[in-house]
Amino acid sequence: RKEVEQDPGPFNVPEGATVAFNCTYSNSASQSFFWYRQDCRKEPKLLMSVYSSGNEDGRFTAQLNRASQYISLLIRDSKLSDSATYLCVVNKGSYGKLTFGQGTILTVHP
Amino acid sequence: EPEVTQTPSHQVTQMGQEVILRCVPISNHLYFYWYRQILGQKVEFLVSFYNNEISEKSEIFDDQFSVERPDGSNFTLKIRSTKLEDSAMYFCASTWTPGGNTIYFGEGSWLTVV
Repeated sequence: RKEVEQDPGPFNVPEGATVAFNCTYSNSASQSFFWYRQDCRKEPKLLMSVYSSGNEDGRFTAQLNRASQYISLLIRDSKLSDSATYLCVVNKGSYGKLTFGQGTILTVHP
Repeated sequence: EPEVTQTPSHQVTQMGQEVILRCVPISNHLYFYWYRQILGQKVEFLVSFYNNEISEKSEIFDDQFSVERPDGSNFTLKIRSTKLEDSAMYFCASTWTPGGNTIYFGEGSWLTVV
C-alpha cells in the first residue's frame, strides 16, 4: 500500500464549481497533515495545514479523519487560477520528513 | 516574504560527472532538506539535516549523494557520479522547527544528465 494515496484525476471543472479531493495515508503514526499546491514545473507551496477539527481558509476547507486515515480538501467557487496539482502531504514528525502523494490534477475551465 | 533560493536553476551534465546543487535556506531556519521530483512523478524525500549532521535519509540517498553546510548559510547537495536516472528537479527546503511549522521550498534546480 502506498504511504500517501490520492486520486490522480485529472479533474476538469467549470469556473464556479465545487470540487473535492481525497487522500488516504497508511502510517497511523503520522502527526501532521497538509495540502500543498504545485504549478507545472514549480515548487510545492503550502495551501493549508489540516486539523482533526477541520479548518477553512476562504474557499478551501480541509478535513482530517484520523480513525479512517483519510484527508480531504474541498474547493468552492473554483477559479481559473485554482488550476494546479494538489498534493496531499503527511509528516511523521521527528525531523520533518514529508511524504507526498502523487498529486491530483485540477483544471478549471471558463 | 523570506524565501529559499537555489542555484543553478537548470544544469545539464554528462553521465559520470559530479554535480553540486546549492541552496540558501531562510536565515533563521534550523532544519534543512533535499527532495527530488522525477518528471511526472511524485516529490520524494532525500535527506534532512539538522545541527550540522544528517538526521534522516531515504533509500534514494546512497553513497553517491552527500550534503554539506560549509559556511553557515549555504546548504549543498553533491552527486558524485551522476547517472541518467538522476535527472530530476531537486528541491531544497527549510523550516524553523518541523513540529507543525511550514516547510518552505526553493524553486528547484532542474538537473538533466545526458
